[in-house]
Amino acid sequence: DAGITQSPRHKVTETGTPVTLRCHQTENHRYMYWYRQDPGHGLRLIHYSYGVKDTDKGEVSDGYSVSRSKTEDFLLTLESATSSQTSVYFCAISEGGTGGTEAFFGQGTRLTVV
Amino acid sequence: GQSLEQPSEVTAVEGAIVQINCTYQTSGFYGLSWYQQHDGGAPTFLSYNALDGLEETGRFSSFLSRSDSYGYLLLQELQMKDSASYFCAAGGDSSYKLIFGSGTRLLVRP
Repeated sequence: DAGITQSPRHKVTETGTPVTLRCHQTENHRYMYWYRQDPGHGLRLIHYSYGVKDTDKGEVSDGYSVSRSKTEDFLLTLESATSSQTSVYFCAISEGGTGGTEAFFGQGTRLTVV
Repeated sequence: GQSLEQPSEVTAVEGAIVQINCTYQTSGFYGLSWYQQHDGGAPTFLSYNALDGLEETGRFSSFLSRSDSYGYLLLQELQMKDSASYFCAAGGDSSYKLIFGSGTRLLVRP
């Protein structure tokens, strides 16, 4: 199995508080992604990274920011959590972007905003 | 914009063959991937098509037609364990992105 770990696995937080989710990889893959998964919407791309300090927005980036200060860590921050951000968050890594190399997913973080 | 469209649900009988379709619209195209996800689990990679035609991996095959912006996943000799959600995925407007369809939930009945 690819070495990819998400933390925490579960979190309950209050509306308006900042939250940071961490994705850690041991594969030295260049590309890292954050997705959210909600019923009926599949996996929606929030932000992605194509190298250290190189990040870009995905489909649903409003209310989220990311940072990647080293190859192995990709952090997702909800600046001020809202109930609409209650979701399951998946991190993924890939060696070659979309060019045929598979993406490996972490086990997900279930976030509940109350 | 970019989008990948899939049927929301498909039901089939154990031992049968099922096809899950995917049509896509992206400003750039770098190939079509397929992923499987069981309830409560993480998505796992099944296959990838860069060129037109059929790719076979055991009971699973995937097809791509770039001229039709269309692909499908074919599952043969269905087993109960194949009950899961299946997602097609493609690069968006850059080769760095990986965009997913909304997924097809496959239910295999005895």
